[in-house]
Amino acid sequence: GENVEQHPSTLSVQEGDSAVIKCTYSDSASNYFPWYKQELGKRPQLIIDIRSNVGEKKDQRIAVTLNKTAKHFSLHITETQPEDSAVYFCAASIRYSGYSTLTFGKGTMLLVSP
Amino acid sequence: DAGVTQSPTHLIKTRGQQVTLRCSPKSGHDTVSWYQQALGQGPQFIFQYYEEEERQRGNFPDRFSGHQFPNYSSELNVNALLLGDSALYLCASRLGAGIYTGELFFGEGSRLTVL
Repeated sequence: GENVEQHPSTLSVQEGDSAVIKCTYSDSASNYFPWYKQELGKRPQLIIDIRSNVGEKKDQRIAVTLNKTAKHFSLHITETQPEDSAVYFCAASIRYSGYSTLTFGKGTMLLVSP
Repeated sequence: DAGVTQSPTHLIKTRGQQVTLRCSPKSGHDTVSWYQQALGQGPQFIFQYYEEEERQRGNFPDRFSGHQFPNYSSELNVNALLLGDSALYLCASRLGAGIYTGELFFGEGSRLTVL
Protein backbone atom coordinates (compact mmCIF):
# COMPACT_ATOMS: atom_id res chain seq x y z
CA GLY A 1 0.00 0.00 0.00
CA GLU A 2 0.87 3.68 0.01
CA ASN A 3 3.47 5.00 2.48
CA VAL A 4 3.85 8.69 3.29
CA GLU A 5 6.94 10.04 5.06
CA GLN A 6 6.87 13.53 6.57
CA HIS A 7 9.73 15.75 7.79
CA PRO A 8 10.55 17.39 10.08
CA SER A 9 8.58 16.10 13.04
CA THR A 10 8.99 19.43 14.84
CA LEU A 11 9.67 22.88 13.38
CA SER A 12 10.24 26.04 15.40
CA VAL A 13 10.32 29.44 13.69
CA GLN A 14 10.10 33.08 14.64
CA GLU A 15 7.03 35.06 13.72
CA GLY A 16 7.42 36.39 10.19
CA ASP A 17 9.76 33.63 9.05
CA SER A 18 8.85 31.02 6.45
CA ALA A 19 8.21 27.37 7.23
CA VAL A 20 8.59 24.41 4.91
CA ILE A 21 7.32 20.88 5.55
CA LYS A 22 8.22 18.06 3.18
CA CYS A 23 6.55 14.75 2.37
CA THR A 24 7.40 11.82 0.15
CA TYR A 25 5.08 9.10 -1.06
CA SER A 26 5.74 5.64 -2.38
CA ASP A 27 3.01 4.81 -4.87
CA SER A 28 3.31 6.59 -8.21
CA ALA A 29 -0.44 6.04 -8.76
CA SER A 30 -1.30 8.52 -5.98
CA ASN A 31 -3.07 11.47 -7.53
CA TYR A 32 -4.33 13.80 -4.79
CA PHE A 33 -2.31 15.41 -2.00
CA PRO A 34 -4.06 17.38 0.74
CA TRP A 35 -2.61 19.10 3.77
CA TYR A 36 -4.48 19.20 7.06
CA LYS A 37 -3.96 21.42 10.10
CA GLN A 38 -4.84 20.09 13.54
CA GLU A 39 -4.88 22.44 16.50
CA LEU A 40 -4.62 20.97 19.97
CA GLY A 41 -7.76 19.04 20.83
CA LYS A 42 -9.41 19.94 17.53
CA ARG A 43 -10.32 18.07 14.38
CA PRO A 44 -7.97 18.00 11.36
CA GLN A 45 -9.02 20.63 8.84
CA LEU A 46 -8.03 20.91 5.20
CA ILE A 47 -5.88 23.95 4.45
CA ILE A 48 -4.79 23.30 0.88
CA ASP A 49 -4.63 20.46 -1.61
CA ILE A 50 -3.09 19.70 -4.97
CA ARG A 51 -3.81 17.22 -7.71
CA SER A 52 -1.24 15.32 -9.72
CA ASN A 53 -1.82 17.36 -12.87
CA VAL A 54 -0.67 20.56 -11.13
CA GLY A 55 2.84 21.47 -9.99
CA GLU A 56 2.07 24.30 -7.59
CA LYS A 57 -0.89 25.89 -5.87
CA LYS A 58 -1.08 29.01 -3.69
CA ASP A 59 -3.63 30.36 -1.28
CA GLN A 60 -2.58 33.61 0.36
CA ARG A 61 0.32 32.75 2.71
CA ILE A 62 0.34 29.03 2.02
CA ALA A 63 1.49 27.12 -1.04
CA VAL A 64 2.03 23.53 -1.98
CA THR A 65 4.43 22.16 -4.59
CA LEU A 66 4.41 18.72 -6.14
CA ASN A 67 7.22 16.85 -7.89
CA LYS A 68 5.70 13.71 -9.37
CA THR A 69 8.98 12.43 -10.73
CA ALA A 70 10.62 12.51 -7.33
CA LYS A 71 7.36 11.62 -5.57
CA HIS A 72 7.52 14.41 -3.07
CA PHE A 73 5.42 17.42 -2.18
CA SER A 74 5.93 20.32 0.19
CA LEU A 75 3.94 22.86 2.18
CA HIS A 76 5.25 26.41 2.34
CA ILE A 77 3.96 28.94 4.84
CA THR A 78 5.23 32.50 4.51
CA GLU A 79 5.05 35.32 7.06
CA THR A 80 4.23 32.86 9.83
CA GLN A 81 2.01 34.01 12.70
CA PRO A 82 1.53 32.55 16.19
CA GLU A 83 -1.89 31.25 15.15
CA ASP A 84 -0.15 29.05 12.58
CA SER A 85 1.14 26.96 15.50
CA ALA A 86 -0.43 23.50 15.13
CA VAL A 87 0.29 20.01 13.84
CA TYR A 88 0.30 19.73 10.06
CA PHE A 89 -0.35 16.47 8.25
CA CYS A 90 0.29 15.66 4.63
CA ALA A 91 -1.63 12.90 2.91
CA ALA A 92 -1.76 11.06 -0.37
CA SER A 93 -4.76 9.56 -2.05
CA ILE A 94 -4.76 6.46 -4.14
CA ARG A 95 -7.61 4.67 -5.78
CA TYR A 96 -7.96 0.91 -5.39
CA SER A 97 -10.79 -1.02 -7.06
CA GLY A 98 -12.68 2.19 -7.73
CA TYR A 99 -12.47 3.58 -4.19
CA SER A 100 -10.10 6.23 -2.89
CA THR A 101 -8.57 6.48 0.56
CA LEU A 102 -6.12 8.85 2.21
CA THR A 103 -2.80 7.81 3.76
CA PHE A 104 -1.42 10.36 6.21
CA GLY A 105 2.09 11.25 7.28
CA LYS A 106 2.99 11.28 10.96
CA GLY A 107 2.68 15.03 11.26
CA THR A 108 4.84 18.10 11.88
CA MET A 109 4.39 20.21 14.97
CA LEU A 110 4.95 23.83 13.94
CA LEU A 111 5.73 26.29 16.73
CA VAL A 112 5.71 29.98 15.83
CA SER A 113 7.24 32.20 18.50
CA PRO A 114 6.19 35.86 18.75
CA ASP B 1 -24.95 22.46 9.10
CA ALA B 2 -23.65 20.50 12.11
CA GLY B 3 -20.72 18.98 10.22
CA VAL B 4 -19.50 15.54 11.24
CA THR B 5 -20.66 14.59 14.71
CA GLN B 6 -19.28 11.77 16.82
CA SER B 7 -20.29 10.18 20.10
CA PRO B 8 -19.21 9.63 22.75
CA THR B 9 -16.44 12.21 23.00
CA HIS B 10 -14.57 10.34 25.72
CA LEU B 11 -14.84 6.86 27.15
CA ILE B 12 -12.86 4.51 29.33
CA LYS B 13 -12.93 0.74 28.94
CA THR B 14 -10.99 -2.18 30.36
CA ARG B 15 -9.08 -4.80 28.45
CA GLY B 16 -11.27 -7.43 26.84
CA GLN B 17 -14.34 -5.23 26.69
CA GLN B 18 -16.14 -4.15 23.56
CA VAL B 19 -16.86 -0.59 22.40
CA THR B 20 -19.15 1.05 19.85
CA LEU B 21 -18.46 4.50 18.48
CA ARG B 22 -20.97 6.45 16.43
CA CYS B 23 -20.73 8.98 13.63
CA SER B 24 -23.16 11.17 11.71
CA PRO B 25 -21.69 12.50 8.48
CA LYS B 26 -21.89 16.05 7.24
CA SER B 27 -25.18 16.79 5.53
CA GLY B 28 -25.09 15.67 1.90
CA HIS B 29 -22.19 13.26 2.38
CA ASP B 30 -22.58 9.56 1.66
CA THR B 31 -19.14 8.12 2.37
CA VAL B 32 -17.77 7.58 5.86
CA SER B 33 -14.22 6.64 6.81
CA TRP B 34 -12.80 5.81 10.21
CA TYR B 35 -9.28 6.62 11.34
CA GLN B 36 -7.30 5.78 14.46
CA GLN B 37 -4.97 8.50 15.71
CA ALA B 38 -2.54 7.44 18.40
CA LEU B 39 -0.93 10.17 20.49
CA GLY B 40 1.64 12.05 18.44
CA GLN B 41 0.86 10.17 15.24
CA GLY B 42 -1.02 10.78 12.03
CA PRO B 43 -4.47 9.31 11.42
CA GLN B 44 -4.33 5.65 10.37
CA PHE B 45 -7.03 4.47 7.97
CA ILE B 46 -9.26 1.74 9.41
CA PHE B 47 -12.00 1.36 6.80
CA GLN B 48 -14.38 3.19 4.52
CA TYR B 49 -18.11 2.68 4.06
CA TYR B 50 -20.14 3.57 1.02
CA GLU B 51 -23.65 2.40 0.17
CA GLU B 52 -23.75 0.48 3.46
CA GLU B 53 -20.80 -1.71 2.54
CA GLU B 54 -17.17 -1.73 3.58
CA ARG B 55 -15.29 -0.67 0.45
CA GLN B 56 -11.69 -0.36 1.61
CA ARG B 57 -9.90 -1.56 4.72
CA GLY B 58 -6.58 -0.61 6.24
CA ASN B 59 -4.20 -2.83 8.15
CA PHE B 60 -6.41 -3.47 11.16
CA PRO B 61 -7.47 -6.84 12.62
CA ASP B 62 -10.95 -8.27 12.41
CA ARG B 63 -11.62 -7.06 15.96
CA PHE B 64 -12.40 -3.78 14.23
CA SER B 65 -15.71 -3.85 12.43
CA GLY B 66 -18.21 -1.32 11.29
CA HIS B 67 -21.56 -0.60 9.83
CA GLN B 68 -23.22 2.07 7.75
CA PHE B 69 -26.93 2.73 7.99
CA PRO B 70 -29.34 3.85 5.25
CA ASN B 71 -29.12 7.43 6.55
CA TYR B 72 -25.32 7.27 5.99
CA SER B 73 -24.46 7.32 9.69
CA SER B 74 -21.91 4.80 10.80
CA GLU B 75 -20.67 2.79 13.76
CA LEU B 76 -17.22 1.50 14.60
CA ASN B 77 -17.06 -1.57 16.84
CA VAL B 78 -13.93 -2.84 18.53
CA ASN B 79 -14.00 -6.22 20.30
CA ALA B 80 -11.59 -7.69 22.84
CA LEU B 81 -10.00 -4.33 23.58
CA LEU B 82 -6.25 -4.14 24.05
CA LEU B 83 -4.24 -1.45 25.78
CA GLY B 84 -2.87 -0.51 22.36
CA ASP B 85 -6.35 0.40 21.15
CA SER B 86 -6.22 3.55 23.27
CA ALA B 87 -6.40 6.40 20.76
CA LEU B 88 -8.51 9.13 19.24
CA TYR B 89 -10.94 7.63 16.74
CA LEU B 90 -11.81 10.03 13.97
CA CYS B 91 -14.74 9.74 11.64
CA ALA B 92 -14.55 11.55 8.31
CA SER B 93 -17.11 12.03 5.60
CA ARG B 94 -17.25 13.16 1.98
CA LEU B 95 -19.44 12.87 -1.06
CA GLY B 96 -18.64 9.92 -3.29
CA ALA B 97 -16.19 7.12 -2.64
CA GLY B 98 -14.32 7.25 -5.93
CA ILE B 99 -11.88 9.88 -7.06
CA TYR B 100 -11.52 12.68 -4.54
CA THR B 101 -13.58 15.65 -5.62
CA GLY B 102 -13.75 17.56 -2.39
CA GLU B 103 -12.64 17.97 1.17
CA LEU B 104 -12.65 15.11 3.63
CA PHE B 105 -14.43 16.50 6.71
CA PHE B 106 -13.42 15.17 10.10
CA GLY B 107 -15.36 14.97 13.32
CA GLU B 108 -13.89 15.98 16.68
CA GLY B 109 -13.22 12.34 17.49
CA SER B 110 -13.91 9.86 20.26
CA ARG B 111 -11.09 9.54 22.77
CA LEU B 112 -10.88 5.89 23.89
CA THR B 113 -8.80 4.92 26.89
CA VAL B 114 -8.29 1.22 27.59
CA LEU B 115 -7.13 0.33 31.12
